[in-house]
Amino acid sequence: EDQVTQSPEALRLQEGESSSLNCSYTVSGLRGLFWYRQDPGKGPEFLFTLYSAGEEKEKERLKATLTKKESFLHITAPKPEDSATYLCAVGDYGGSQGNLIFGKGTKLSVKP
Amino acid sequence: ETGVTQSPTHLIKTRGQQVTLRCSSQSGHNTVSWYQQALGQGPQFIFQYYREEENGRGNFPPRFSGLQFPNYSSELNVNALELDDSALYLCASSLITPRAADTQYFGPGTRLTVL
Repeated sequence: EDQVTQSPEALRLQEGESSSLNCSYTVSGLRGLFWYRQDPGKGPEFLFTLYSAGEEKEKERLKATLTKKESFLHITAPKPEDSATYLCAVGDYGGSQGNLIFGKGTKLSVKP
Repeated sequence: ETGVTQSPTHLIKTRGQQVTLRCSSQSGHNTVSWYQQALGQGPQFIFQYYREEENGRGNFPPRFSGLQFPNYSSELNVNALELDDSALYLCASSLITPRAADTQYFGPGTRLTVL
């Protein structure tokens, strides 16, 4: 059964304090791994898509990496505006193309 | 480029009623997926529509149904509402191609409350 587990559930950082969020996954065949940011009461905002182990992508203070079993979202020198819930999702070749399996997310709070 | 839009923003219904939620996909996209997100949880896949036909379904009962129109917009219908149907309903659009893993872009969601 496909599974996505994110850790930690919640993370509190001081402004400028770098850290990483983890996403562990189990799928029969990885079609893609997706990172989203979600603000309270709003829809997820797309950040990155990763397709194969070893791939890395960056955007401003965020960098996503992928191995065969997990992905990390590294946040460098975060600012208060980075506070949000970060969701990880996977697509599985064994499932329907439209089915993204999401983790429960990591709620990030960045204090000034 | 127009993003994904959803209507209404909020909705309050009573148990047993029926509801229709609407979604307009991002320009250039041909596929719409619907998700249910309970408080504190990740989104759960309901179904996807491609070329006006259902193209995959999650573990949701038949009282959850949908439509896709020729302009790629979509509706989600839920009959016989239950209290547990209270959630944020998300629509996501994407472009299916033969090769690529399609990235899904989400709308702002519709908050449904069932009393």
